[in-house]
Amino acid sequence: GDSVTQMEGPVTLSEEAFLTINCTYTATGYPSLFWYVQYPGEGLQLLLKATKADDKGSNKGFEATYRKETTSFHLEKGSVQVSDSAVYFCALSADRGSTLGRLYFGRGTQLTVWP
Amino acid sequence: DAGVIQSPRHEVTEMGQEVTLRCKPISGHDYLFWYRQTMMRGLELLIYFNNNVPIDDSGMPEDRFSAKMPNASFSTLKIQPSEPRDSAVYFCASSLGGGHTQYFGPGTRLTVL
Repeated sequence: GDSVTQMEGPVTLSEEAFLTINCTYTATGYPSLFWYVQYPGEGLQLLLKATKADDKGSNKGFEATYRKETTSFHLEKGSVQVSDSAVYFCALSADRGSTLGRLYFGRGTQLTVWP
Repeated sequence: DAGVIQSPRHEVTEMGQEVTLRCKPISGHDYLFWYRQTMMRGLELLIYFNNNVPIDDSGMPEDRFSAKMPNASFSTLKIQPSEPRDSAVYFCASSLGGGHTQYFGPGTRLTVL
């Protein structure tokens, strides 16, 4: 079935370091891919998304490219800030079948950025 | 714009009591989702609705859990009787169309003593 695997955390970085959080997926058809972010004490909120192969989603300095050949959607940021400390979730949407409508989330990766 | 509204934000109850969590989705959204988040199990989808009709409730852990959506602007998740292992943060989310961006509420933190 459809699923998402993202790198285990926690990830700890110094401010201005480069960030990569790996995400790979298994899906039939052509899913859309998402990154959500959850700040402490809050619900998840959309960070970026891509709806077809080779699309690049971007927001707030974060980027991810939909790679169908490697079934990946890795999250990157060139220079992290303390305010980026949060939990990041990779997700995919089913585009067909009985599970149409739902998102499949990864386990989440805790990012802590130190000044 | 009002986002997804959940109430209460915090609930502390004793084992055996009935708990009702409430959700108001974003106006016009046709999908509504209930999730549970714990440190041990992460984010779990419990049930979701399309146009007020339950589509998949396979994530509901036991018969003690039930969810309803009597109209497009309101849903409830009920636990009866509650148990300490039900302690978690419960999120409601809504979306316009299936497979599209889900908008999450702030969550209800449930503690069962």
